[in-house]
Amino acid sequence: QVQMQESGPGLVKPSDTLSLTCTVSNDSIRTTGYYWGWIRQPPGKGLEWIANIFYKGSTFYNPSLRGRVTISVDVSKNQFSLSLSLMTAADTAVYFCARRRISVANFDSWGQGTLVTVSS
Amino acid sequence: TVVTQEPSFSVSPGGTVTLTCGLNSGSVSSTHYASWYQQTPGQPPRNLIYSTNSRFSGVPERFSGSILDNKAALTITGAQAEDECHYYCVLYMGSGISVFGGGTKLTVL
Repeated sequence: QVQMQESGPGLVKPSDTLSLTCTVSNDSIRTTGYYWGWIRQPPGKGLEWIANIFYKGSTFYNPSLRGRVTISVDVSKNQFSLSLSLMTAADTAVYFCARRRISVANFDSWGQGTLVTVSS
Repeated sequence: TVVTQEPSFSVSPGGTVTLTCGLNSGSVSSTHYASWYQQTPGQPPRNLIYSTNSRFSGVPERFSGSILDNKAALTITGAQAEDECHYYCVLYMGSGISVFGGGTKLTVL
């Protein structure tokens, strides 16, 4: 069973760039049929899809975050990463990485999530 | 694009409840590949339903999905106390873009 684990800073300053990494275990990130993505959830609020990536490099972004967000993949490490620039308090959230089946568009496996707080 | 869900819903133990997932403009169809997720506090979401009406592996049969009145729907038949939590739908909008609904808080009492 695939396992996913987010890692990164728990605290970032306003205007800084957030960098998070998701390490995938028990599955290859090269597995065809899947995208790898990021989803976030502000405290006490709903879920927001951020971005997906295919291991060959195709990327898809939430239009509301386009310009601030970059998703990338490192197949040699079986990892993918998120970069979100110009962080503000509104970006404070639990950030989840997830695997998404391409054919039926569902997020079938999730990491436990990591809380990122934006504060000076 | 806004995906709409009821903010909250109540159901009696053993009862049946249908949660819906709509679009602020237009109808939901099978081409949106609606999926449903259950989230308990402090946990990541868990996929219940995908592709409108397919039950994910290990999900109890009391959970089912459908299209009702131009919305995606999640029906729980015989609700149990453990079903009290948040439910989220996701619609695929094409071009690799997914949109989450705002979520429904289900109370079982």
